[in-house]
Amino acid sequence: EAGVVQSPRYKIIEKKQPVAFWCNPISGHNTLYWYLQNLGQGPELLIRYENEEAVDDSQLPKDRFSAERLKGVDSTLKIQPAELGDSAVYLCASSRDRVTGELFFGEGSRLTVL
Amino acid sequence: DAKTTQPPSMDCAEGRAANLPCNHSTISGNEYVYWYRQIHSQGPQYIIHGLKNNETNEMASLIITEDRKSSTLILPHATLRDTAVYYCIVLNQAGTALIFGKGTTLSVSS
Repeated sequence: EAGVVQSPRYKIIEKKQPVAFWCNPISGHNTLYWYLQNLGQGPELLIRYENEEAVDDSQLPKDRFSAERLKGVDSTLKIQPAELGDSAVYLCASSRDRVTGELFFGEGSRLTVL
Repeated sequence: DAKTTQPPSMDCAEGRAANLPCNHSTISGNEYVYWYRQIHSQGPQYIIHGLKNNETNEMASLIITEDRKSSTLILPHATLRDTAVYYCIVLNQAGTALIFGKGTTLSVSS
């Protein structure tokens, strides 16, 4: 069974530029999560999807961050414009449904903003 | 969800048992204890979870005290590849997302 796939693995951009991250969850997993992880910290939830519906986006900075999960499968997280403080690892995870705490994480996308 | 407290770091000799403690004194009756680990440059990986009873799988054992205010994750024979950050998380099975703390950095050495 293929795991959660994320791309790109690494991205370096200049501040004020846009950036997008893509996530393909495990087949059949209805719930998808985007987490942000700063150096030395645990992951922090940005947004959670149930199929194509965002059911928890309270921690997503909506002035510059956006996400979508068209057709309830793949998801894209976008930052526009990027700021220096956005440098972090962006993790995508999926789970069978919303009530399980067993999440499967991708390897993450490491963003460096110069 | 209840908050957890873990030591920031622990050391363990290769081949010995690693016992990682977690305090969750405000846990309520319907909250589960989950453990994840994160190896350097990888995403977190699910290890085990439990409600009241002790649990064991191919990766680890989870011991939950009778009052459920604390738990211990046991890696019976630690290897160098078990060096990672271990997160203890309490989750209400109401569909809320996992909330990670800083975890315990376990260093296994030969």
